[in-house]
Amino acid sequence: GENVEQHPSTLSVQEGDSAVIKCTYSDSASNYFPWYKQELGKGPQLIIDIRSNVGEKKDQRIAVTLNKTAKHFSLHITETQPEDSAVYFCAARLNTGFQKLVFGTGTRLLVSP
Amino acid sequence: NAGVTQTPKFRVLKTGQSMTLLCAQDMNHEYMYWYRQDPGMGLRLIHYSVGEGTTAKGEVPDGYNVSRLKKQNFLLGLESAAPSQTSVYFCASSYSITDTSLNTEAFFGQGTRLTVV
Repeated sequence: GENVEQHPSTLSVQEGDSAVIKCTYSDSASNYFPWYKQELGKGPQLIIDIRSNVGEKKDQRIAVTLNKTAKHFSLHITETQPEDSAVYFCAARLNTGFQKLVFGTGTRLLVSP
Repeated sequence: NAGVTQTPKFRVLKTGQSMTLLCAQDMNHEYMYWYRQDPGMGLRLIHYSVGEGTTAKGEVPDGYNVSRLKKQNFLLGLESAAPSQTSVYFCASSYSITDTSLNTEAFFGQGTRLTVV
């Protein structure tokens, strides 16, 4: 089955710096890669996603890149702000069977003022 | 628009007790899911449903049962709680992920923190 690895597990940056979170997946049949943000005491919320026919997608300060050959995808946050502090999860969805989402183990991002 | 609502938000159980976690969605989604979240392990799928009256096992189904008697509700049951089931449980819903004309984003509830002592 699909396996998603996520790094780093924790990331501390200064306000205004950039943050990058990286994920790798194992199954080349995966074709959908969402990123979720989970704030303290809340459920995960989708912030951006990318499909396998696209290499990069940007939405204001966040962007996601996908390298299908290497089976890597990354989340980039520029000009970080304290409200970006949260746990971020990547996920991959297979294009076969039930097409369930397989999540990474999460990255705790702390943005210090 | 409430989205996905879970009840209760917190619960403490003694080993061997039973309980049911309730999930309700008002978005007319076909698919519903139950995940558990444990430190360092991300979100793992317990059971899921692709429509009213249907359920299926996910990655970690042992010790849990589910029912989907109505399209908007998905219930997760623990018949005999064990300390290993101490976790935060999340319900989610989405449109059918096989219909690419629809937004297939999964919407999550706020979670139920369950402690089994």
